[in-house]
Amino acid sequence: GENVEQHPSTLSVQEGDSAVIKCTYSDSASNYFPWYKQELGKRPQLIIDIRSNVGEKKDQRIAVTLNKTAKHFSLHITETQPEDSAVYFCAATLWGNEKLTFGTGTRLTIIP
Amino acid sequence: EPEVTQTPSHQVTQMGQEVILRCVPISNHLYFYWYRQILGQKVEFLVSFYNNEISEKSEIFDDQFSVERPDGSNFTLKIRSTKLEDSAMYFCASGAVADTQYFGPGTRLTVL
Repeated sequence: GENVEQHPSTLSVQEGDSAVIKCTYSDSASNYFPWYKQELGKRPQLIIDIRSNVGEKKDQRIAVTLNKTAKHFSLHITETQPEDSAVYFCAATLWGNEKLTFGTGTRLTIIP
Repeated sequence: EPEVTQTPSHQVTQMGQEVILRCVPISNHLYFYWYRQILGQKVEFLVSFYNNEISEKSEIFDDQFSVERPDGSNFTLKIRSTKLEDSAMYFCASGAVADTQYFGPGTRLTVL
């Protein structure tokens, strides 16, 4: 089955700097890669996703890149703000499979 | 913006007791899921449900677990005889399509 590795487990960045979180997946058939943000005590919130037919997707300050050959994908947050502090989870699945396989999470702390 | 809701937010039960966790998915969604997250660990898939039947289940989802969509709005997870290791946060999710999933706020289950 699919296995997703996520790094780093914790990340601290100065406000205004960029943050990058990386994930690798094992199943080359996987073709859908969402990212979730989970603030303390709240639900995982879908913030961006990418399908395997594109290499990059942007939404304002966040972007996701996908390298199918290397089987890794990354979340990029630019101009970080204190409200970006949260735990971020990557996930992978094969469309139609429905089961999301999650990474272990990255605790991002933005230092004012 | 519609959201997945879950009740209760926290459930405490004695080992061996039955619990039912309830979810109200987003109203026009067709795909329903349960995940769990043991404290400090990754989110794990339990089961997916589509067209009034289970479409996939993990090895965690053994005979002690069952799901039901008793009416047009609720989606429930039943654990027949709880064990200590069932203590976790249980998340319901729903989606209009097979991969994009929106999570509820979770039910924290504590088995004593």
